[in-house]
Amino acid sequence: DTGVSQDPRHKITKRGQNVTFRCDPISEHNRLYWYRQTLGQGPEFLTYFQNEAQLEKSRLLSDRFSAERPKGSFSTLEIQRTEQGDSAMYLCASSLASSEAFFGQGTRLTVV
Amino acid sequence: RKEVEQDPGPFNVPEGATVAFNCTYSNSASQSFFWYRQDCRKEPKLLMSVYSSGNEDGRFTAQLNRASQYISLLIRDSKLSDSATYLCVVIPTGTYKYIFGTGTRLKVLA
Repeated sequence: DTGVSQDPRHKITKRGQNVTFRCDPISEHNRLYWYRQTLGQGPEFLTYFQNEAQLEKSRLLSDRFSAERPKGSFSTLEIQRTEQGDSAMYLCASSLASSEAFFGQGTRLTVV
Repeated sequence: RKEVEQDPGPFNVPEGATVAFNCTYSNSASQSFFWYRQDCRKEPKLLMSVYSSGNEDGRFTAQLNRASQYISLLIRDSKLSDSATYLCVVIPTGTYKYIFGTGTRLKVLA
């Protein structure tokens, strides 16, 4: 399978714990995106990378959220001190230049 | 005002019907436009890009109206398998950020 891969697919965590998600993009894609989606809403932009550089970060993203793409390949999204409001589907996507973005199957986070 | 707005629906239509969705965007300098399809509890998948001259792919036609800042999607001869949420996506000029609308739910009824 050469699509975008996300791990884990599901995560249940207690409030206050830290969680980390991983995304492996399509291999030749230089752009990588993180989105968050809640029920009944479209995906909400969090951040994106071009190669290893983080070019834009949403103002909605609090300091508890951090993303990295250390070698311009896979990326991680960490949420510190999780809150119930962080419960959502976290989607990763990748693209090549200005072509369409391909999404992974997402990581569903539940904070209890 | 949201950057990209869509009627959330649902649109309930019988099989074989023609249905159209509109999406408006606020940034007049937007450069690229797409329609994505999302099935329940699945990831969004590209349905089609939207070009200035309009484009067609089988039963699906997409159009862009830059003057009025909206894009449209027309589905002819609806199939049960067309039931999904259709997401409008806009990329503003000067960024590579994909801005999604809330999506329009379509239910095609037998």
